[in-house]
Amino acid sequence: AQSVTQLGSHVSVSEGALVLLRCNYSSSVPPYLFWYVQYPNQGLQLLLKYTSAATLVKGINGFEAEFKKSETSFHLTKPSAHMSDAAEYFCAVSAIQGAQKLVFGQGTRLTINP
Amino acid sequence: DSGVTQTPKHLITATGQRVTLRCSPRSGDLSVYWYQQSLDQGLQFLIQYYNGEERAKGNILERFSAQQFPDLHSELNLSSLELGDSALYFCASSVGVGGRNTIYFGEGSWLTVV
Repeated sequence: AQSVTQLGSHVSVSEGALVLLRCNYSSSVPPYLFWYVQYPNQGLQLLLKYTSAATLVKGINGFEAEFKKSETSFHLTKPSAHMSDAAEYFCAVSAIQGAQKLVFGQGTRLTINP
Repeated sequence: DSGVTQTPKHLITATGQRVTLRCSPRSGDLSVYWYQQSLDQGLQFLIQYYNGEERAKGNILERFSAQQFPDLHSELNLSSLELGDSALYFCASSVGVGGRNTIYFGEGSWLTVV
């Protein structure tokens, strides 16, 4: 079985500060990993995904994430936060083989302080 | 705009009733997924269809059923509704079934059961 744990249901940073959202996964097989963002009253939008190529993955809006197998982590970072980054962020895991079923973490709400 | 269209956007209904949520996937996508998002359960995978056939089942209640039609649109039927079924229901689609494929989400259908 696969699972995802997002550390911190709520993260608050100042505008211009580093954003770090933590995600740890559990999987018995090599996983694919994803970060999605959900803005208020909108659907989920893919930020980036890891599919066993480069371990450092760059996504949209200046976000990136690094796959660390030894730590079973896939933390999301952005060097400088913008007010527009305020949203809910979800980490998700999927098995490489078989039916693609995204298993999501509980989400982290990111607040940006001016 | 992800290209995934869901109707209705909002729905209020009484306990014991039955509703149907409709989804049109992105052009060219053969896989359709249904997810439920609620405050207490988070984002839960319900079911996946690929080209008209069921491919994976998640935490879908027996009162719920889904199908994918020859034109690839999908419907999620929810019956004998209970207060706890109030949630945001997402439809998503992807080209294939492999874990590498990007899954695109619609904006969701808000269901309120009163």
